[in-house]
Amino acid sequence: EIMMTQSPATLSVSPGERATLSCRASQSTKSNLAWYQRKPGQAPRLLIYGASSRATGIPARFSGSGSGTEFTLTISSLQSEDVALYYCQQYSYLPPTFGQGTNVEIK
Amino acid sequence: QVQLQESGPGLVKPSETLSLTCTVAGGSISTYYWSWIRQAPGKGLEWIGYTYFSGRTNYNPSLKTRITISLDMSNNQFSLRLTSVTAADTAVYYCARDLGAGLGPFDYWGQGTLVTVSS
Repeated sequence: EIMMTQSPATLSVSPGERATLSCRASQSTKSNLAWYQRKPGQAPRLLIYGASSRATGIPARFSGSGSGTEFTLTISSLQSEDVALYYCQQYSYLPPTFGQGTNVEIK
Repeated sequence: QVQLQESGPGLVKPSETLSLTCTVAGGSISTYYWSWIRQAPGKGLEWIGYTYFSGRTNYNPSLKTRITISLDMSNNQFSLRLTSVTAADTAVYYCARDLGAGLGPFDYWGQGTLVTVSS
């Protein structure tokens, strides 16, 4: 099973500043990597797939990069509505696996 | 707009069978792969398995001997059965649509339903 490790566990960022979240896979997942956002009481929302493609309706301030084992989600200018838990997920290997999440909060 | 809604008992006794249904609105279940995913308290998200309209299924090896996922195309639903449950199966269970070929990414999710295993 592929292990997905996210860092940091919690990220505090001032409004309008950049937030950078990391995800590392225990072996190469090529570009088969997705990012999700989950707010309390809501369903997870797909943000990024294919490591760098934004899902439908996702604001341009969200971007993804990386391939192989190292991936990054960047929120270019943090808004208050971006406070949430963010997960990465690999879909190269069975079973698909998720990271433990990064909690993004406003500083 | 596709919407998914989980339904089923919120409390199941140990050793019994957990049964959940996901109703899909706003789109046909006869395309795409459909998955169940869960999150136990204090744990990460765990993929349980998927089903496809052809009848194809695939399950997480860690749960494989206890799971059945099936499709009901006449009602636009799919279901999860998990047998011989223990307290470790207490979790929020999500159903999700797969944008890919069975392993993700998951573009639509239900709100999740909490299932507690307790006597």
